[in-house]
Amino acid sequence: GAGVSQSPRYKVAKRGQDVALRCDPISGHVSLFWYQQALGQGPEFLTYFQNEAQLDKSGLPSDRFFAERPEGSVSTLKIQRTQQEDSAVYLCASSLLLVGGQYFGPGTRLTVL
Amino acid sequence: RKEVEQDPGPFNVPEGATVAFNCTYSNSASQSFFWYRQDCRKEPKLLMSVYSSGNEDGRFTAQLNRASQYISLLIRDSKLSDSATYLCVVFDPNTGNQFYFGTGTSLTVIP
Repeated sequence: GAGVSQSPRYKVAKRGQDVALRCDPISGHVSLFWYQQALGQGPEFLTYFQNEAQLDKSGLPSDRFFAERPEGSVSTLKIQRTQQEDSAVYLCASSLLLVGGQYFGPGTRLTVL
Repeated sequence: RKEVEQDPGPFNVPEGATVAFNCTYSNSASQSFFWYRQDCRKEPKLLMSVYSSGNEDGRFTAQLNRASQYISLLIRDSKLSDSATYLCVVFDPNTGNQFYFGTGTSLTVIP
């Protein structure tokens, strides 16, 4: 079956631009996570959804970061007024249950110039 | 102090060797543990969950030591295709819904 997909795969933004990153989880997966991964580091938690409810956004680094999952399926991570330090790979993962193995999408590599 | 710590390596081993990685975690209330593998410029992929009694999947064996707060991954008869970064992951429900990833241990299997 189809895995987790993300788009775009690559995004170059000028500092100050807004960007929107999309995640299509595996159908039927209740849990959806967003992570940020810098080069040479492990993924860092950003936010978690259970269906359409955002249950944890404690990992979002600033109020410029916003995520939504309005219908409990597709999710969008939005970054406003991008800064150079936002450059990273943004990974989306979904799982059937909260406490279970997560399936990752290929990520969006964001470069802010 | 980071929630999860791993030796970044790199580990360079010959084909056929046995190699082991350890990972320590800081919160004794952590409940779920996993190993993921990540190939260069690819997404992490679940390798195996780690159960209290230890578990094996082919050439891979995972162990959990709650008393010392570490988990381990043993790879026997290493293959070239095992070359990757291995990420240790810990879930601590007391800190919300966060899964904590280590920085990864790099393994290169040499012909």
